[in-house]
Amino acid sequence: QKEVEQDPGPLSVPEGAIVSLNCTYSNSAFQYFMWYRQYSRKGPELLMYTYSSGNKEDGRFTAQVDKSSKYISLFIRDSQPSDSATYLCASNAGGTSYGKLTFGQGTILTVHP
Amino acid sequence: EAGVTQSPTHLIKTRGQQATLRCSPISGHTSVYWYQQALGLGLQFLLWYDEGEERNRGNFPPRFSGRQFPNYSSELNVNALELEDSALYLCATSGGRGNIQYFGAGTRLSVL
Repeated sequence: QKEVEQDPGPLSVPEGAIVSLNCTYSNSAFQYFMWYRQYSRKGPELLMYTYSSGNKEDGRFTAQVDKSSKYISLFIRDSQPSDSATYLCASNAGGTSYGKLTFGQGTILTVHP
Repeated sequence: EAGVTQSPTHLIKTRGQQATLRCSPISGHTSVYWYQQALGLGLQFLLWYDEGEERNRGNFPPRFSGRQFPNYSSELNVNALELEDSALYLCATSGGRGNIQYFGAGTRLSVL
């Protein structure tokens, strides 16, 4: 079993829709949870990060972490064609694995005009 | 403020050759991480350097190695290249609590 599981999609939505992207994880030591956006043939761009459980909002984006169920979510409101990209969730743990980010497989999102 | 910069953008090598990839961190960041993103395999952790020392290593053979310089820039060396080493190699850097990592644009390595 992979430590971080993410539905690869692809996910296709009309412009203006609310998008929900989800990951589950198995490592209870994970403390920080990130969402990255990656456009084709580019490096991942950090969208948001959260520490432990809770919600964090930044503009049209909301990240949620539920450590009790080991569930990570990213919501995109009023989605735009420019949001079309691959979205990657990632987590890291403490101790000797502190520097290592474990990524989900990525969800490919297409927003149609 | 400049982001993480990687060079070269593209690198074409043949089997058995050596490849050297370079990464310059965001100003103030002291940790450098290397990841491999091969087609269909997702992002895999390679190496982590902090303050000039190797701190952690992923499940890759010893022919993947690197170093970090006093100015915190880093090199990734891949010896005895194999076809399956063809991938996008990403460098990330961090400098604070939580090791929040910021990525460069990557070096695309093609092994022929």
